[in-house]
Amino acid sequence: QKEVEQDPGPLSVPEGAIVSLNCTYSNSAFQYFMWYRQYSRKGPELLMYTYSSGNKEDGRFTAQVDKSSKYISLFIRDSQPSDSATYLCAMRRNTNAGKSTFGDGTTLTVKP
Amino acid sequence: DAGVIQSPRHEVTEMGQEVTLRCKPISGHDYLFWYRQTMMRGLELLIYFNNNVPIDDSGMPEDRFSAKMPNASFSTLKIQPSEPRDSAVYFCASSPSGAYNTGELFFGEGSRLTVL
Repeated sequence: QKEVEQDPGPLSVPEGAIVSLNCTYSNSAFQYFMWYRQYSRKGPELLMYTYSSGNKEDGRFTAQVDKSSKYISLFIRDSQPSDSATYLCAMRRNTNAGKSTFGDGTTLTVKP
Repeated sequence: DAGVIQSPRHEVTEMGQEVTLRCKPISGHDYLFWYRQTMMRGLELLIYFNNNVPIDDSGMPEDRFSAKMPNASFSTLKIQPSEPRDSAVYFCASSPSGAYNTGELFFGEGSRLTVL
């Protein structure tokens, strides 16, 4: 079993919809939780970063971490066609650098 | 800054040939990572370096794979001999360390390898 499991998708939604992307994990040592966005034929780019449990909001994006359930989510409000991409969750044990473990990614398409 | 630079962007080769992928990290970043991405296995960490020293190579699939970082501005990933199952996109990423850094990974655009 993988350390990080991500809802596989693909996901297709109309423009303006609220999108929920989710990951579960098995290693309780993970403390740092990230969401990366990857456009087609590009490398992933960091979208959101959260330490430990709680919520973090950045514009239309909200990241949630529930360490007791080993569950993280990314919500996208008022989704736009430009949000169409693959979203990868990632987790790390240690501070400031080191090995990150990624989920397999969920491909999102937002239709105008 | 130019970002992480990888070459070649695309490589098509025949089984048994040697493949060398190259990476130039962002200047000042002291961590360098090699990842492999496939539909079946997602994004897998192969190896990472800190200050040019390999720290964890447990993700390297087998002895056919090797990686070097001779200096802070250059790394190579070599596959010899290559096999069709090595076909994937190989990403290099770099990251700065330091108390006020998040450990964000800065990825290159990847090298798409096809082994026939």
